[in-house]
Amino acid sequence: EDKVVQSPLSLVVHEGDTVTLNCSYEVTNFRSLLWYKQEKKAPTFLFMLTSSGIEKKSGRLSSILDKKELFSILNITATQTGDSAIYLCAVLADTGNQFYFGTGTSLTVIP
Amino acid sequence: NAGVTQTPKFQVLKTGQSMTLQCAQDMNHNSMYWYRQDPGMGLRLIYYSASEGTTDKGEVPNGYNVSRLNKREFSLRLESAAPSQTSVYFCASSESVRQPQHFGDGTRLSIL
Repeated sequence: EDKVVQSPLSLVVHEGDTVTLNCSYEVTNFRSLLWYKQEKKAPTFLFMLTSSGIEKKSGRLSSILDKKELFSILNITATQTGDSAIYLCAVLADTGNQFYFGTGTSLTVIP
Repeated sequence: NAGVTQTPKFQVLKTGQSMTLQCAQDMNHNSMYWYRQDPGMGLRLIYYSASEGTTDKGEVPNGYNVSRLNKREFSLRLESAAPSQTSVYFCASSESVRQPQHFGDGTRLSIL
């Protein structure tokens, strides 16, 4: 059975800290991995990764995929209180049409 | 710029009652999805519609039915609600099935 595991489950940091969120997966015939940010309501899309070793970057957020070791990390530098959210990872297999989501990492940034 | 709109936002039902959750998107997306989100379980796919006129089961389809009414609208029906269906339901859409999804704000459903 396909599986996506995120760690840590929750994290509390101070503004200005750098955080690294992890997503490991066991998916047959991996195709792509996505990161989402969920604040109070709808998850919003951050990154889509398909190739190993290529960093995706948007402002203070960046993500990289390691297809050999079957994981991805999401880095947030110089955290702000607005980064407080649940970060979700989802994986798509090449043979299917559905994304499998991890349970998420809850990040709290305190002033 | 509405994106994905879900109605209602909140609903309380009694066990055995029926209910239809509505979803509409204005992005001209081909694919639409229904997920449920439960504490400690993450988002789980109930049903999806790869394109207008098609629907397929996801990971947790039991107790639900769906209708892809047209390209814009995708509804989820609970025929006989059970307490185990208490959850937050999210509708999403994407250009195609393997593309990033845009989510609605969710419907919080409680079944007593």
